[in-house]
Amino acid sequence: GAVVSQHPSWVICKSGTSVKIECRSLDFQATTMFWYRQFPKQSLMLMATSNEGSKATYEQGVEKDKFLINHASLTLSTLTVTSAHPEDSSFYICSARDRVGGNTIYFGEGSWLTVV
Amino acid sequence: QKEVEQNSGPLSVPEGAIASLNCTYSDRGSQSFFWYRQYSGKSPELIMSIYSNGDKEDGRFTAQLNKASQYVSLLIRDSQPSDSATYLCAVIISGSARQLTFGSGTQLTVLP
Repeated sequence: GAVVSQHPSWVICKSGTSVKIECRSLDFQATTMFWYRQFPKQSLMLMATSNEGSKATYEQGVEKDKFLINHASLTLSTLTVTSAHPEDSSFYICSARDRVGGNTIYFGEGSWLTVV
Repeated sequence: QKEVEQNSGPLSVPEGAIASLNCTYSDRGSQSFFWYRQYSGKSPELIMSIYSNGDKEDGRFTAQLNKASQYVSLLIRDSQPSDSATYLCAVIISGSARQLTFGSGTQLTVLP
């Protein structure tokens, strides 16, 4: 089936630094990708919708200047957490929509971010 | 009212039994429904998608959709301990730019 690859799987960074997470669709083109955040024992919370070639659409309460999203190609979206703080520590998950494959949405493996 | 609601559980069933997971949604115009399985510390994995009223079977899994009642369910036959996970119901809400809206998930434990 379709594969969405996310990198890195886990990262530890110092408070105040920035971290970039990549999301790639490996065998299909994804005009739309989604970024989620999930805290322990909670459900996925949509952060933003990323559209290839245009600005991302952020959900209410998500700071667009803090969570920078770039979707420069049909197979790659990146999320950069800028000036990270310990409260940004979470599980970040991307998903991509296979428009040709019935609009099914596939998830990446997720990235654990720990800010110390 | 939440857009997608699930009983959080935990739901426990003995090995070999049928596990029944339920989900209701508020938007009557929704057309696409999905069940994902999420193991602890892992990303969600797509199990089933269903778009039409009725049942859809795939191996031990059966998804059931009733748009009139705004209800979608997942049945797991011959439950195995490896099925123990959190099951997420997801709906593409009409007019939502085709993004998934998730329920809070139901934690399932299959007892050996």
